[in-house]
Amino acid sequence: GAVVSQHPSRVICKSGTSVKIECRSLDFQATTMFWYRQFPKQSLMLMATSNEGSKATYEQGVEKDKFLINHASLTLSTLTVTSAHPEDSSFYICSAKPPSNYGYTFGSGTRLTVV
Amino acid sequence: GQNIDQPTEMTATEGAIVQINCTYQTSGFNGLFWYQQHAGEAPTFLSYNVLDGLEEKGRFSSFLSRSKGYSYLLLKELQMKDSASYLCAVRDDKIIFGKGTRLHILP
Repeated sequence: GAVVSQHPSRVICKSGTSVKIECRSLDFQATTMFWYRQFPKQSLMLMATSNEGSKATYEQGVEKDKFLINHASLTLSTLTVTSAHPEDSSFYICSAKPPSNYGYTFGSGTRLTVV
Repeated sequence: GQNIDQPTEMTATEGAIVQINCTYQTSGFNGLFWYQQHAGEAPTFLSYNVLDGLEEKGRFSSFLSRSKGYSYLLLKELQMKDSASYLCAVRDDKIIFGKGTRLHILP
């Protein structure tokens, strides 16, 4: 079945540093990937839509200069959290839609802790 | 605007049946998803409805009424492993999630 791989699964970083999260579609090509953030006991909030070969589309209230998205190939999208602060600590999840499936497949998520 | 409503929490007994409702008001509609999410894990796909009616898949069924902006997920023969959050999501040009329903199963 279609698999989306996300790395790293957990990361702890110091305030002010940057963290890069990778999302790969392993057995299909994804021109579009989605990045979500989920705070404890809350649902997934869409942050941005990552488009291969073009700029990402950010949701209202999401700072594009803080959350840098690069979708350089049909199988890889990256989210970089720049100048991280403790309030950026969250569960970040990517997803993509395999061409043959109805459902969107999610990566395993990245738990970011900023200290 | 986009609005997706579902109950925050529900409790049911092992072996019983539970129905989780979802109502939505969105600018566009290209289908409704149900996902299951265990604590600390990524969501997993359960069902997809784009036409009115009932879709049955094993112990899980999902219903959609587009005219009413309403869907439900029906879980039969509940098992302890069904304790999880259930997310209703509507697809327009992107997928928007409801806040999720935390389902507690009692032995």
